[in-house]
Amino acid sequence: EAQVTQNPRYLITVTGKKLTVTCSQNMNHEYMSWYRQDPGLGLRQIYYSMNVEVTDKGDVPEGYKVSRKEKRNFPLILESPSPNQTSLYFCASRGYNGGGYTFGSGTRLTVV
Amino acid sequence: AQSVAQPEDQVNVAEGNPLTVKCTYSVSGNPYLFWYVQYPNRGLQFLLKYITGDNLVKGSYGFEAEFNKSQTSFHLKKPSALVSDSALYFCAVRDIGGRWGSSNTGKLIFGQGTTLQVKP
Repeated sequence: EAQVTQNPRYLITVTGKKLTVTCSQNMNHEYMSWYRQDPGLGLRQIYYSMNVEVTDKGDVPEGYKVSRKEKRNFPLILESPSPNQTSLYFCASRGYNGGGYTFGSGTRLTVV
Repeated sequence: AQSVAQPEDQVNVAEGNPLTVKCTYSVSGNPYLFWYVQYPNRGLQFLLKYITGDNLVKGSYGFEAEFNKSQTSFHLKKPSALVSDSALYFCAVRDIGGRWGSSNTGKLIFGQGTTLQVKP
């Protein structure tokens, strides 16, 4: 089944403790992206990647890092999480066929 | 800058009645427009898209959307609402900016979302 897999689904952590949210897709898609969803703000892009080793900042990149060492994986790294990064995070991927993104099921992160 | 607006935070409709969820956009050039739906505790599911061609686009679960270039709108519609349609709906446009300067940057710009409540 074609899908985008995110882990973990839920995470509660403390301020300053580094964490990584993993994202993997099995569709051989070139594009991958991370979004955060906050009430009243919709989804905002954090980072995106057009292909292996090619990444760029989205609209809200502060406090986040990404890497794209392999085509299928696009982890989101929070080096020093803060409470304002409490949010629902989605990973998504898309091929070159002009269609929409396929989204993962989301990761609900709480930073206390 | 490209943007999307969903003017209604919530839309309430009775089951069996037609529904409309509104979306307006602002882009430079031709828009690539999308609708996604999010059910509680689930990810986003693709409903339909407009790239080019017929202004009336048909999508999943009986939904359709009408592209209106003069009004810069892309409203989501369904002739007869179901209780199971109750969810959060997002309109999105693909950004054609980015440092590569092509239409293939892939970034989606979302509206703030509209909660659809269908009552029995």
